Amino acid sequence: AQKVTQAQTEISVVEKEDVTLDCVYETRDTTYYLFWYKQPPSGELVFLIRRNSFDEQNEISGRYSWNFQKSTSSFNFTITASQVVDSAVYFCALGGYSGAGSYQLTFGKGTKLSVIP
Amino acid sequence: DGGITQSPKYLFRKEGQNVTLSCEQNLNHDAMYWYRQDPGQGLRLIYYSQIVNDFQKGDIAEGYSVSREKKESFPLTVTSAQKNPTAFYLCASSSRLNEQFFGPGTRLTVL
Repeated sequence: AQKVTQAQTEISVVEKEDVTLDCVYETRDTTYYLFWYKQPPSGELVFLIRRNSFDEQNEISGRYSWNFQKSTSSFNFTITASQVVDSAVYFCALGGYSGAGSYQLTFGKGTKLSVIP
Repeated sequence: DGGITQSPKYLFRKEGQNVTLSCEQNLNHDAMYWYRQDPGQGLRLIYYSQIVNDFQKGDIAEGYSVSREKKESFPLTVTSAQKNPTAFYLCASSSRLNEQFFGPGTRLTVL
């Protein structure tokens, strides 16, 4: 069975601070995918990044960066110089095959980030 | 513009009623999914479909039903058997192993 743990339920930071959102996953698959999504107050989930299990290179996109470490089964997300618009719930997800042989995403419970001006 | 639409945005159901949530996509994706989100919780998979005329139960399928008669459409019916249907419902689609794209959601409230 697959599992995603986001231990931080809520985080508050002051604008311009850096913040890291943690994600730890469990899977028996050798090939899998990891994702981060942002859910602003409007409710729609916005895709941020996909990583496959063979690519451990860190990625940077503007103020966002992701650190993937297979050795610790973690896929952490850092926002540099946070802004009020970053306030949202962030979900980490793991993609893999279910017992029925179909591809599914397993989501963590999310981390609510509040950026205070 | 390509994307996923869900309607209605807000839906109110009386006890004992069946209601149907609409989900349409024009991304030409084969796979479509329905999730339920409760306050402070992650997303839980209700049903998914990898191809037209085929669908599979997810983790919390009891009290729900779906159909997939067209590639673009994957409606979800919340039946009277679902005892606690008040939640936020999200529809998603994807192509094979790629990321899922989500619609804006439907907020269902039982009166």
